[in-house]
Amino acid sequence: GAGVSQSPSNKVTEKGKDVELRCDPISGHTALYWYRQSLGQGLEFLIYFQGNSAPDKSGLPSDRFSAERTGGSVSTLTIQRTQQEDSAVYLCASSIGLGETQYFGPGTRLLVL
Amino acid sequence: GENVEQHPSTLSVQEGDSAVIKCTYSDSASNYFPWYKQELGKGPQLIIDIRSNVGEKKDQRIAVTLNKTAKHFSLHITETQPEDSAVYFCAAGVNSGYSTLTFGKGTMLLVSP
Repeated sequence: GAGVSQSPSNKVTEKGKDVELRCDPISGHTALYWYRQSLGQGLEFLIYFQGNSAPDKSGLPSDRFSAERTGGSVSTLTIQRTQQEDSAVYLCASSIGLGETQYFGPGTRLLVL
Repeated sequence: GENVEQHPSTLSVQEGDSAVIKCTYSDSASNYFPWYKQELGKGPQLIIDIRSNVGEKKDQRIAVTLNKTAKHFSLHITETQPEDSAVYFCAAGVNSGYSTLTFGKGTMLLVSP
């Protein structure tokens, strides 16, 4: 079946603009996760959803970052007033339930000029 | 919170040799340890995982060992092939309820023909 998909695959934006990144999880997966990967670095956990609920937003780097999930499926990560340090690959993963194996999408490569 | 250390950061081997990547973790509550392979421009792909009720798991040329007392786990790749070249990430998490994965910083494995 289809894996996790993310769009856009690449995004170039100007400093100060807002961006929206989309994640389509594997069908039937109730848990969804967002990570950030800076060049040559590991994966930094941002936020997770169980259904439409995000119990812990403390991993988001600043209040310019927000995420939502509707219908227990698609999720959107929004970065407002982008800064150059936001440039990174944003990865989404889903799992059939919390604590189960996470399957990753291909990521969105964000470049803030 | 959990802290995962991964070594080495880079590893070069000749085709046919074995490769070993080691990780340590800090939270004794962690009981789930996946390994991911990330090829250039792609999202991480799960290659093997182990849960704390076993000490070793094998899948063809790949094996993972876990020492819960010492809080370390290792990835072993035998008979390496050029297509094994990638960045490998270890992670640790708690397989129940609220769950996130904490990732190591990755090991770049280069297998030379």
